[in-house]
Amino acid sequence: SQQGEEDPQALSIQEGENATMNCSYKTSINNLQWYRQNSGRGLVHLILIRSNEREKHSGRLRVTLDTSKKSSSLLITASRAADTASYFCATDYNQAGTALIFGKGTTLSVSS
Amino acid sequence: GAGVSQSPSNKVTEKGKDVELRCDPISGHTALYWYRQSLGQGLEFLIYFQGNSAPDKSGLPSDRFSAERTGGSVSTLTIQRTQQEDSAVYLCASSLGTGGTEAFFGQGTRLTVV
Repeated sequence: SQQGEEDPQALSIQEGENATMNCSYKTSINNLQWYRQNSGRGLVHLILIRSNEREKHSGRLRVTLDTSKKSSSLLITASRAADTASYFCATDYNQAGTALIFGKGTTLSVSS
Repeated sequence: GAGVSQSPSNKVTEKGKDVELRCDPISGHTALYWYRQSLGQGLEFLIYFQGNSAPDKSGLPSDRFSAERTGGSVSTLTIQRTQQEDSAVYLCASSLGTGGTEAFFGQGTRLTVV
């Protein structure tokens, strides 16, 4: 079953604009991760935020986590055409030995 | 190897046939995951191996699906009596630990059942 739900499903912006994607999840987590997928094949890890963190930055990426609302957001600043991809959030469960569960993703299209 | 390797890259099979998909994880990674992704959809969790623990098979959609991980390394996902709805990209990932660590993905196997 899906743990996370991304919103919006699709997003189209111009180069230079910021892109914000949201992720909501259902159960308590230890951490939340964001991944990127190009052309429907392998995913690449972007950033991990732990349940005791509220915000994390990596280059042009900014991730926030609100455990009280069970939600996270991924902000990509000054977007580029090369950022065009699908973005997924993934969570573990607050139990030992459980897997990494992904949401349905947001498809981002950045036009030049 | 340098990354997660999956084979074959593409597989076309006739309905009713059995298929085996292989995943070679990064050396030393104790966790291995299998996912299924239909066109334009998210990743559907199938099965998870962690070290010597019993695998989490809770995502397998039917008893036609099974997976093994031999010697804590290579894994094989087997689909018996394939159906057209099994057509999808099957992705494998490995990580150093449980869901709290970065997962590294292979490029997937695109399975087409005709």
